[in-house]
Parts: sequence; C-alpha cells; structure tokens
Amino acid sequence: KAGVTQTPRYLIKTRGQQVTLSCSPISGHRSVSWYQQTPGQGLQFLFEYFSETQRNKGNFPGRFSGRQFSNSRSEMNVSTLELGDSALYLCASSIGTSVGNTIYFGEGSWLTVV
Amino acid sequence: GQNIDQPTEMTATEGAIVQINCTYQTSGFNGLFWYQQHAGEAPTFLSYNVLDGLEEKGRFSSFLSRSKGYSYLLLKELQMKDSASYLCAPERNYGQNFVFGPGTRLSVLP
Repeated sequence: KAGVTQTPRYLIKTRGQQVTLSCSPISGHRSVSWYQQTPGQGLQFLFEYFSETQRNKGNFPGRFSGRQFSNSRSEMNVSTLELGDSALYLCASSIGTSVGNTIYFGEGSWLTVV
Repeated sequence: GQNIDQPTEMTATEGAIVQINCTYQTSGFNGLFWYQQHAGEAPTFLSYNVLDGLEEKGRFSSFLSRSKGYSYLLLKELQMKDSASYLCAPERNYGQNFVFGPGTRLSVLP
C-alpha cells in the first residue's frame, strides 16, 4: 500500500510569490493534516481536512490556506511568500478523525524562499 | 491549552539503554503518541499509549502516567540507526487532536 505522497519534494521561490503544495493520502484515508517544521519552532500544525471540510486550523496567517478534494487529495497554498516561510511542509493522513487514529506522514516538501 | 516539555538533546552509547521523558499539560487529554524522525526525513509512528502503564514493542517501550502528565520512551540495546529526534504528541479528544512536543535529539555514539 502506497504511503503519503507529497509533491514537489524541493522548491525554491522568491519573496512575494505564491506556492501550491500537493498531498495524496494513503488509500482509504480521509483525513489530511498539514504541518510546518522549522529548526526553531519544531512541528507546527497548519490545518486539518476531512471530507473536503476544514476541521481545524492552527495559528498561522491567512496567507496559508488549503483545500481537500473529493478523492481526499489535498493542496495547501501560501501566498505572498516571506523569507520566514522557508521550512519543511509535511502532510499527514489518517483513516478518520476519531481519537486513537495514527497519523502517517509524507516525506515533505522543502520550501526555500529567497 | 497545551504545554509539552522534552529534553532538547541526549547522548548515549551503542548497546546502552536510554529513557526520553515527556511531560505535558493538555486539556481534553486522550492518549499520547511517540514518533521518530531521522534528519531530513518524515516522522514515523513508534507507539501510542492511552492507558497507564508500560507498552513494550521490541527494543522500544513507552510508558504513560495520566495522573502525572508524564510519559517516557525507553530504547534498549541502542543502535547507531537510533540516532534521531523523538517527538511526543499528546492527543486531545476535541479540536486539533495532535500537538507535537519540541522533540529530543538523540545521538548514539559508538
């Protein structure tokens, strides 16, 4: 069974640009969450989607947005990129939103903003 | 709210035993996950505790005390490949389920 797939793996963007990252969850998983990881801040929760609806949102500015499609695939978008947005963006999927459901991470997308 | 504390770094010798502690203050606490993350890679699931006590899984064991807001991950017969960051993640029964701790970077020396 394929794991969580994220694309692209690496990308470099310029300040002010926007970026879209894609995530395909494990087959059968309907919940997708996104995290930002930086050396200074650790793993920070961005948002979670289930059945195409945003279920929870972390404490990030409105420049960070996401969506989920009917096939559970998800995208996140960051507009007006800032240098501080340089990070590893991780997508994780789980079967559902019930407690006790393990989340499984993709390899991540490394974003560098210059 | 959430408050999670882990040691920042630990060092141990190959073949030894190491215990990585995690203390938390989590409203709506349900259970606790441990993840391992090698440098440059994604976190991978290690264990999940919902009841008090020790859960053993091969060389790795995880302990939980709900009343004390305390968990630890015990790694036995350390190997070089165990050099990684270990993240504890208390799980809540409402809202955003997962909040990850800052992680403990473990270095295993020969």
